[in-house]
Parts: sequence; structure tokens; C-alpha cells
Amino acid sequence: DTEVTQTPKHLVMGMTNKKSLKCEQHMGHRAMYWYKQKAKKPPELMFVYSYEKLSINESVPSRFSPECPNSSLLNLHLHALQPEDSALYLCASSQTGTGGYEQYFGPGTRLTVT
Amino acid sequence: KNEVEQSPQNLTAQEGEFITINCSYSVGISALHWLQQHPGGGIVSLFMLSSGKKKHGRLIATINIQEKHSSLHITASHPRDSAVYICAVVKGAQKLVFGQGTRLTINP
Repeated sequence: DTEVTQTPKHLVMGMTNKKSLKCEQHMGHRAMYWYKQKAKKPPELMFVYSYEKLSINESVPSRFSPECPNSSLLNLHLHALQPEDSALYLCASSQTGTGGYEQYFGPGTRLTVT
Repeated sequence: KNEVEQSPQNLTAQEGEFITINCSYSVGISALHWLQQHPGGGIVSLFMLSSGKKKHGRLIATINIQEKHSSLHITASHPRDSAVYICAVVKGAQKLVFGQGTRLTINP
């Protein structure tokens, strides 16, 4: 199984809502990543978890809160988002976080903040 | 200036043509990835290179570490190859730095 799954596929939320994005992989990968991608732009790294510990936070606003409950699961909790946070949120995983391994991407969650 | 530059930004070709997409980078890297993204979002990893050349089907990727340059070639291009191709370099231990992408359209 070389699949990374993400739920939901689409999410519309108001600026006062709290919601969560979920990412799951069963490849035994120990590094997981959140990326944000705006239309016609490349992905931008948000967070990296390595062995269930947060290893990189790219100065992401605190309204985005990542969580890695176990080695297969990665969540992104959303609270008080702004319309400019509307984007495609991509999750990825790799064997470890040392950079020399292929990253496997999920299909993404398309988020719209109204 | 971006750390990773791709050219061309857009490329339209006829089915069957040989396609080349270039990637130049300005930082020290441990590896370089070529990724494909179809409309709708999903990203597929095509290659990961740290030296030399790799081939998979009609796709060939090369890297010249001294020149800080990589190329992705597609032979016998097909409309289903139409997608955005993204070069990304591994900077430091864990971080991928992405190029802006090349939007490829193959007309039948």
C-alpha cells in the first residue's frame, strides 16, 4: 500500500469555525508533512513531523495547529481562519525525515474559508 | 531570485514530440525530486536523484551536481502527459524547496 489518504476532500468553513484535516498512511513512514498550495503556485512547507515529534514549523500562524497522534496519522486543526487561508492542503509522508527519501503525497483537501 | 528556477514556465507541444524541462538551483542539496501534478491537485513523485540519470518508461531525468542543473525528458509525448511538472530540491535535512512548475500541454 503506497497510498496517503486525506479527508475531507473539500471543506468550506466560516472564519469562526473549528475544523480538522486528517491524513493517514500505512507505509510505515516515520516522517509526515503538511503543505499549503495556492492556485498556480508550488506547494509551501508548513510543518514536518519526524518520529511523531514536530521538527519543522515554517513560522505558520497559530490558527493552524498540527498534531501527530501516532506514526500513521497526522491532523491539522484549524481555528479562526482568514479567507486568504483558502488553498489546497497537501499531506505527504516519507520513510524518514532525512531528505534522501521519496515523498508520497495525498490528494489534498481543498479548503475554502468564507 | 528563487533558489530553484524552472524553464520553460509553459510548454505546448504536439503528440509524439520530445519534451525537455529544465531545473537550475543555487543551493547545496542532498537530492532533487521531479514531481507531476494533474489538475485537481494530486502530486505524484516521478524521480528522486542525487547523481547521474534515471529512466522510467518514457521519462528520463538527469542531474549534474557540479552545474547545479537537472533535466526531465519525455519521449513520445502523449496528451495524458499534460500536467504541471515541479522540480524540488532537498535543502538541509528535511525541507523540500520547490520550483515554480512547468505547465505542459500536449495536443493530439
